[in-house]
This record gives sequence, C-alpha cells and structure tokens, in this order.
Amino acid sequence: NAGVTQTPKFQVLKTGQSMTLQCAQDMNHEYMSWYRQDPGMGLRLIHYSVGAGITDQGEVPNGYNVSRSTTEDFPLRLLSAAPSQTSVYFCASSYRTSGSTDTQYFGPGTRLTVL
Amino acid sequence: AQSVAQPEDQVNVAEGNPLTVKCTYSVSGNPYLFWYVQYPNRGLQFLLKYITGDNLVKGSYGFEAEFNKSQTSFHLKKPSALVSDSALYFCAVRPGYNTDKLIFGTGTRLQVFP
Repeated sequence: NAGVTQTPKFQVLKTGQSMTLQCAQDMNHEYMSWYRQDPGMGLRLIHYSVGAGITDQGEVPNGYNVSRSTTEDFPLRLLSAAPSQTSVYFCASSYRTSGSTDTQYFGPGTRLTVL
Repeated sequence: AQSVAQPEDQVNVAEGNPLTVKCTYSVSGNPYLFWYVQYPNRGLQFLLKYITGDNLVKGSYGFEAEFNKSQTSFHLKKPSALVSDSALYFCAVRPGYNTDKLIFGTGTRLQVFP
C-alpha cells in the first residue's frame, strides 16, 4: 500500500495563477479531506468528501474547489492563487464505519508559496 | 464554539525524564479524541485515540493518554522521553458520533534534550 500520496511536494505560483493539488489513496477509504497548516493555527479543514460524487465545505473553503469522481482521487483546485493561500496542504483519508469516520491518515503534504 | 486547546507552544524535557503534552477540549456531546505527531517536513502520523471505555489509552512508540471527562482533558504522556520523540504534537477532537470533521489544536513542539 502506498497509503495517501500527494503531488507536487513543492510549488511556487504567482498571484492569479490556478493549479490543482493532487491527492490519491489506495486503501479504499470513503472519507477524504483537505487541510491547510499555518504556523500557530494548527490544521484547518478546507473541504471534505464522504464518498464519490459527494463533497462539502469545511472551515476555510473560500478560493478552493474540489471534486470526487472516484473513490481514490480527491484533487484540490486553487482558482486564482493569492498570497494568503501560501501554506502547507495536507490530504487525509479514512474508512467510514456505521456512518462515521475512523482514524484519518495523512499524506506527506504540499508546500505552496504564492508570490 | 467547539475547540481544542494546547496551552503550551513548546515543552522541553531531558532525555529519560517523563513528559506530558497538555490538551483540553470544549465540545458538546461525547468526543472522540486523537493525538498525532509530525516530524520535520513530514505528514501527520496517528499516535492514539480515545473513543470509549478505559480512560487510559496506549498508543505507538510508548505514548499514552488519559481521558478526563470532568476536566475535559486528554493529556499525552510518556514515562521516559527519547531525543527521537522531538517533534510537533497535535491534539484533535471529533465532536461526536454524527460528524466526520476533526478539530485540531494549534500544536505543541516537544524538544527532548540529551
């Protein structure tokens, strides 16, 4: 099992550019989510999905889009990058048992800088 | 508002001494509590969780945590610290059975000195 994989590891964008952060898992997890990590603020939930075709907003969704066309993949799209989106982004996944999530497992992260 | 607090930005401890990393929470309902560790330039790794049952939970790498409902706390402990335990530790809470969301604390950096 590769677990949760994320690409790219590092990315530098200019303000206004768009890009997609990739996340994939090979554990057949129903639940997938995106977080951003900023110094002194812990991890904040951006978007999440409880299964293919189902997505919902987290705590800080503005400026980001997601889709979930397959169980394995959960890409995060930045529509028009802003310096405030400079952060480290983590994808996580977990099983759902009896309608609730189990332990979440995290990818290695993508470090994004927006100039 | 539902929240998790890690009151210490950094904890320093000598190798071989016991360590405690504090976590308190404020949620309605019965919480599910987690500890994760993050090594430099790596993702978060799961350490342990409390769902129900025994208040003392044992996890990976010799860590344990005690759930205290009256004090709404879930402190992480280890009897004898290692230099290799130096990392960033996050407490997280899932505020009940009917939600998928995790709320994270701001993290505590543990520094173990030789």
